[in-house]
Amino acid sequence: AQTVTQSQPEMSVQEAETVTLSCTYDTSESDYYLFWYKQPPSRQMILVIRQEAYKQQNATENRFSVNFQKAAKSFSLKISDSQLGDAAMYFCAYRDAGNMLTFGGGTRLMVKP
Amino acid sequence: DTGVSQDPRHKITKRGQNVTFRCDPISEHNRLYWYRQTLGQGPEFLTYFQNEAQLEKSRLLSDRFSAERPKGSFSTLEIQRTEQGDSAMYLCASSSGLGPGELFFGEGSRLTVL
Repeated sequence: AQTVTQSQPEMSVQEAETVTLSCTYDTSESDYYLFWYKQPPSRQMILVIRQEAYKQQNATENRFSVNFQKAAKSFSLKISDSQLGDAAMYFCAYRDAGNMLTFGGGTRLMVKP
Repeated sequence: DTGVSQDPRHKITKRGQNVTFRCDPISEHNRLYWYRQTLGQGPEFLTYFQNEAQLEKSRLLSDRFSAERPKGSFSTLEIQRTEQGDSAMYLCASSSGLGPGELFFGEGSRLTVL
């Protein structure tokens, strides 16, 4: 079974600074998708960014970018110019050719004004 | 259609009672998922439907849990003879199944078993 590991239970960043959240995964597949989801307190989970494993170029979405290292099975999320609204739980997730997303345990991000 | 909706948002029940949660997916999505999330943890997969067919079921889903999607639209998740360990947030998500298969989540139904 695939596993997704987020080794940082909590992270803190100063407003306007940059922070990187780590994620590693275990798979024997070559074709799969990776996602970062954001879950604000008492709010629904929303997609932040996704990466197709066959694409070598790292995905970017405005202030959010990923560092995808396929050989190392690593998928980190970089948030630039952090804002107070970025404070949330962040979950890394994996999907292969099947239909199920496997989530990591999450990283709580705190943003200091 | 504004997204995935779940009802009720919060349910408090006594141990041994039955509870049912409802999920209305995004209308054009044929795939529907149920996940369970406990405090401070990532969501755990429970079950998955494509249209009305239940195609996958986690080992986490004991015999007390049953899910249906009778007409391929809304879904219900029933928990019979609830236990304190069932206390969690139950998340529903839907997907079109195209491309990366991004899941769109509802706000969840929080269950508290006393």
